[in-house]
Amino acid sequence: DTEVTQTPKHLVMGMTNKKSLKCEQHMGHRAMYWYKQKAKKPPELMFVYSYEKLSINESVPSRFSPECPNSSLLNLHLHALQPEDSALYLCASTLMGNGLLGSTDTQYFGPGTRLTVL
Amino acid sequence: QKEVEQNSGPLSVPEGAIASLNCTYSDRVSQSFFWYRQYSGKSPELIMSIYSNGDKEDGRFTAQLNKASQYVSLLIRDSQPSDSATYLCAVNSPDRGSTLGRLYFGRGTQLTVWP
Repeated sequence: DTEVTQTPKHLVMGMTNKKSLKCEQHMGHRAMYWYKQKAKKPPELMFVYSYEKLSINESVPSRFSPECPNSSLLNLHLHALQPEDSALYLCASTLMGNGLLGSTDTQYFGPGTRLTVL
Repeated sequence: QKEVEQNSGPLSVPEGAIASLNCTYSDRVSQSFFWYRQYSGKSPELIMSIYSNGDKEDGRFTAQLNKASQYVSLLIRDSQPSDSATYLCAVNSPDRGSTLGRLYFGRGTQLTVWP
């Protein structure tokens, strides 16, 4: 089973709202990722958690706040977003997240959350 | 800056033909290489991974890796209209200053298979 789940599938929010995206995996993976993807562009890395600790923050604005409550769950809290933040938000996970290993570093993506900011 | 370049496309082939997708990467330390297929509005779906020089076949898909030339390719034999999608080449490299791996993506090649 290589399933990563994300909720909600779609989200429409105003610029003053606070909302959260949720990602879950039960594969025992220890690295989890948030990506943002705009139309006709590749996924753009936002955050990486390794063993529940924030390991990479790609200079993402503070209106995006990640959280990793446990090894299976990853949240992305959204506050005061801008219309240009509208995108497909993808979560991914990998077994170890170690770039020097082989097959353990395959990233599996969830179905994504389509976010629209009005 | 770690770069991944894909042939720009779009690529259009008739049904039953071979589609050839190419990718080059800049970081010689990279150890693992992936091809993802992405349908419009959907998330990337892993279709092939390759770690060693040579060919790897899975059904109609063959991935080829040449680390000396820093080159990865994907061949799709007997292309079907359902193969029409964007194909993303992704290279896993250690993040700067750590052993934590991260994916570097090419811009994607849009493939259309026409009946």
